[in-house]
Amino acid sequence: DADVTQTPRNRITKTGKRIMLECSQTKGHDRMYWYRQDPGLGLRLIYYSFDVKDINKGEISDGYSVSRQAQAKFSLSLESAIPNQTALYFCATSDYRVYNEQFFGPGTRLTVL
Amino acid sequence: AQSVTQLGSHVSVSEGALVLLRCNYSSSVPPYLFWYVQYPNQGLQLLLKYTTGATLVKGINGFEAEFKKSETSFHLTKPSAHMSDAAEYFCAVRAGGSYIPTFGRGTSLIVHP
Repeated sequence: DADVTQTPRNRITKTGKRIMLECSQTKGHDRMYWYRQDPGLGLRLIYYSFDVKDINKGEISDGYSVSRQAQAKFSLSLESAIPNQTALYFCATSDYRVYNEQFFGPGTRLTVL
Repeated sequence: AQSVTQLGSHVSVSEGALVLLRCNYSSSVPPYLFWYVQYPNQGLQLLLKYTTGATLVKGINGFEAEFKKSETSFHLTKPSAHMSDAAEYFCAVRAGGSYIPTFGRGTSLIVHP
């Protein structure tokens, strides 16, 4: 089974709808992250969380919110989706050691019409 | 502050040819450096990383990278490209106590028969 899972894998929605993307991990990591990927722009950080009670904004948090329901679960919400939020979204995890890598989920492809 | 520049959004090579993907970083403190690979419809996975010690780092699938402090570079190489190497490659830097990595914009490797 995959260590980091994301649901749904694909979603098409309409402008103005509320959308939730979910991430679960079995790696036992405290730190979790949400990124979006757009062609030519690489990965941009939306939100990150270092433990259940710690939530931090990334470079592009406007229009997004998150919830850390448990150590293993980190959800991303789009309160009112807009077309320029069409992108590939990735969840990632890491442990506390700064020299260690992140582990990524398979991604959610979101299309907002 | 930390930043990453990947030269060339696309690199095209013939099967069997040398692969060279360029990454330059900016950091005011000694960095931790990472290369990730993203195959189509998948999340990112770690190819290799530099933390401390030996500056030539070997990774999976025959890739290696050399940390050159004087050039602030961490270029990725592979002696002989294979069709299965076609993917998106991301360089990332984590500097000092920063737990948030900065990613480059990615380089798409195209391998021709």
